[in-house]
Amino acid sequence: QIVVTQEPSLTVSPGGTVTLTCGSNTGAVTSGNFPNWIQQKPGQPPRALIYTTVNKHSWTPARFSGSLLGGKAALTLSGVQPEDEAEYFCLLYYGGALVFGGGTKLTVL
Amino acid sequence: EVQLLESGGGLVQPGGSLRLSCAVSGFTISTSAMTWVRQAPGKGLEWVSSLSGGGGDSYYADSVKGRFTISRGNSENTLHLQMNSLRAEDTAVYYCVKVPLVGQLSYYYYGLGVWGQGTAVTVSS
Repeated sequence: QIVVTQEPSLTVSPGGTVTLTCGSNTGAVTSGNFPNWIQQKPGQPPRALIYTTVNKHSWTPARFSGSLLGGKAALTLSGVQPEDEAEYFCLLYYGGALVFGGGTKLTVL
Repeated sequence: EVQLLESGGGLVQPGGSLRLSCAVSGFTISTSAMTWVRQAPGKGLEWVSSLSGGGGDSYYADSVKGRFTISRGNSENTLHLQMNSLRAEDTAVYYCVKVPLVGQLSYYYYGLGVWGQGTAVTVSS
């Protein structure tokens, strides 16, 4: 069974920088897993931020960036804003199936 | 502007069926890969099914394989999810999602773009 792992929770100060990671129990995450990052705020539908590792949607704020880091997919928020407080999910592709991570609750404090 | 609007959710008994629809605007569904994602109450996101752009290839999570069928109605620019043999664990909000383009290509594994607002499905007796 494929398990995609994320930090359960992280806290960052406004204006700070934080990196969320997305790992896999099958080994290193690569560009072939086409990592995606999705943001969800309470009571709202999810919103896609990053697709195919690094690509931003037209609505994605510039302070969000995707990368591969140490065998994991990573989402970096630079200059965090209070409105970035949300849950963040990663999504990986495994030859025929898409698997979400369990999500990271980001607190801006 | 790309917009997605799901419908068809509701309360259904275990073993019953529902057909979800996703009406899209701002693009032609016949050439775009599309995906259904669900979220059980208080839980995370779960990929349900995807449909390739252009061709008819479909993909399913193991949890729904053999019970759910994804399809598109090109004339009405609508995506469907036929759900049979429903179980309590299928209770969730179901989201329709457009797969982003990379260049001019839309493969389901590129991931997720614009989301709909979701439609709630409750399976209970």
